[in-house]
Amino acid sequence: AQSVTQLDSHVSVSEGTPVLLRCNYSSSYSPSLFWYVQHPNKGLQLLLKYTSAATLVKGINGFEAEFKKSETSFHLTKPSAHMSDAAEYFCVVSDRGSQGNLIFGKGTKLSVKP
Amino acid sequence: DTGVSQDPRHKITKRGQNVTFRCDPISEHNRLYWYRQTLGQGPEFLTYFQNEAQLEKSRLLSDRFSAERPKGSFSTLEIQRTEQGDSAMYLCASSSHTGHMNTEAFFGQGTRLTVV
Repeated sequence: AQSVTQLDSHVSVSEGTPVLLRCNYSSSYSPSLFWYVQHPNKGLQLLLKYTSAATLVKGINGFEAEFKKSETSFHLTKPSAHMSDAAEYFCVVSDRGSQGNLIFGKGTKLSVKP
Repeated sequence: DTGVSQDPRHKITKRGQNVTFRCDPISEHNRLYWYRQTLGQGPEFLTYFQNEAQLEKSRLLSDRFSAERPKGSFSTLEIQRTEQGDSAMYLCASSSHTGHMNTEAFFGQGTRLTVV
């Protein structure tokens, strides 16, 4: 069975400092992994995805994530936070088998202080 | 626009009434998902279709909920005898599934249901 755990419900950083949002997953098969962002009153937008190619994945807006099978992790990072990064971030896992649906973590709210 | 569209965007209904939501996925996508999201929570999986076949239903989907995708294109989600606990944002998403690979899902703006 698939599951995903976002280790922090809220992360607060100062503008210009690094961002780290942690995600651990559980999957019976080789997973596909995604990070989505949701700004207030906006729809879910894909940030980046891992689907078995390079383990370091680059996404939009300077975000990247590294797939570490040995640690079952897919943490999201950004070298320098911007005020516009303040939003809710969701880690998503999908089993690569034919019956795989998409399972969301509970989300991490990122606050960025000036 | 070729994105996922949902209708209506907002729905206010009285407890006990039935409501139906519609989702039009991206045209070439064969998978369609329904999720429910309450304030401060992540989206919770409800059900998904591959073409017209409903492949999985969450235990969250009580017998008051039914979803269809009759021609493998648009989908409807009906809630019968609505309860206040049904108040939430209902999200639809679509993706392309080929072989053993899922592409990313694209989400609609959602339908916000308020049961009064």
